[in-house]
Parts: sequence; structure tokens; C-alpha cells
Amino acid sequence: GENVEQHPSTLSVQEGDSAVIKCTYSDSASNYFPWYKQELGKGPQLIIDIRSNVGEKKDQRIAVTLNKTAKHFSLHITETQPEDSAVYFCAAWANQGGKLIFGQGTELSVKP
Amino acid sequence: DAGVIQSPRHEVTEMGQEVTLRCKPISGHDYLFWYRQTMMRGLELLIYFNNNVPIDDSGMPEDRFSAKMPNASFSTLKIQPSEPRDSAVYFCASSLGVWTRGTDTQYFGPGTRLTVL
Repeated sequence: GENVEQHPSTLSVQEGDSAVIKCTYSDSASNYFPWYKQELGKGPQLIIDIRSNVGEKKDQRIAVTLNKTAKHFSLHITETQPEDSAVYFCAAWANQGGKLIFGQGTELSVKP
Repeated sequence: DAGVIQSPRHEVTEMGQEVTLRCKPISGHDYLFWYRQTMMRGLELLIYFNNNVPIDDSGMPEDRFSAKMPNASFSTLKIQPSEPRDSAVYFCASSLGVWTRGTDTQYFGPGTRLTVL
């Protein structure tokens, strides 16, 4: 079955710097890769996703890249702000079935 | 839309008691998921339903856990009897979940924080 590895587990950056979180997946049939942000005391919320037919997607300060050959995808946050501080989860969706497999999470801290 | 609704938000109970967590998915969503989140194990999928039918319950840890979805707008996760190691945050999520429609996004509820003493 699918397995998703996420790194780093914690990340601390200065406000204004960029943050990059990386994930690898094992199932080459996976075709949908969402990223979720979880703030303290809340459920994960989708922030961006990418499908296997594209290599990059941007939404303002957030971008996701996908390398299908290497089976890895990354989240890039530019011009980080204190409100970006949260736990971020990557996930991979297997083509068959309705199942998302989540990475272990990255706790991002943006220092003012 | 109000989003996924879960109740209660917090539950404190004693070991051996029955616990029932409730979820109302987003109207029109065909899939409903129950997750458990702990520091040690991260976010784990317990079970998911499609059109009220359980599809995959391989993540349910033990027979003490059971889940039902009697109709499209309501699901329960029950733990009987509860144990301290069941303490976690339990999330419900829903999605349209059909790849061919490109609508796989899962929307999570706020979670239920369960503490078993």
C-alpha cells in the first residue's frame, strides 16, 4: 500500500524567509497530492493540492511541486508570516479507493 | 455550508465506559472518514464509508471500536469499553471523493478531544 514520508518534522524560520517541506510517496499509481494546514485546536484544512498531470501549482505565497519520476512533492511558502505557524501535512491519494495517506506532519514556526 | 460538524468537542470519561462520537458530513458528500490523531502515531485513518456503506475498516484498532452510518447525514464512532490509550483527537472528514469528477478534497471537522482516565 501507499506510504508517505514527510520531512522535516519541525521547521523554524524568520518572518519573511521561505519554508520548504518535502514528502515522498511509494505508490506510483497515486495521482492526487493535497497539503493540509492544522492550527492549534482545529482540524486540518486544505491549503493547496496538485494532481499528477501537472508539475507545479501556485496560489499566492504557496506553491507545490511534484516530481512523479522521483515520487516526491514539496510545499513552498514564500514571505512567511507569523500566522503561517502551524502543523502542515502532506498526503497522497491512491488511484483506487477513496483513501488519503498522510505524512507525519511538519511543525512550522515563523518567528517575528 | 456549515462544514463538517462533530460532537461533542471534548469528552472526558473513565476507563471502561462507553463513548460515542458523532459526525454530520457536508451535505451531498458521498464519502465519510474517521481519523484518530495522536502525538505518537500522527493522523490515522480508522474507517471510511461510501454512500453509507463501510468500505475499509482496516484501521480500526480493536473490536472495541465500531462505526456506523445509518444515513447520509449522520455517523457515529463508538468505543466500548474505553481505555486510557484511546485518548486522542478524533476527526471526521467528508468528501465527494470521486476522482473522475476531480473532487477528492476532504473537509475535516473540528475534532473531538477524548480523554479516558
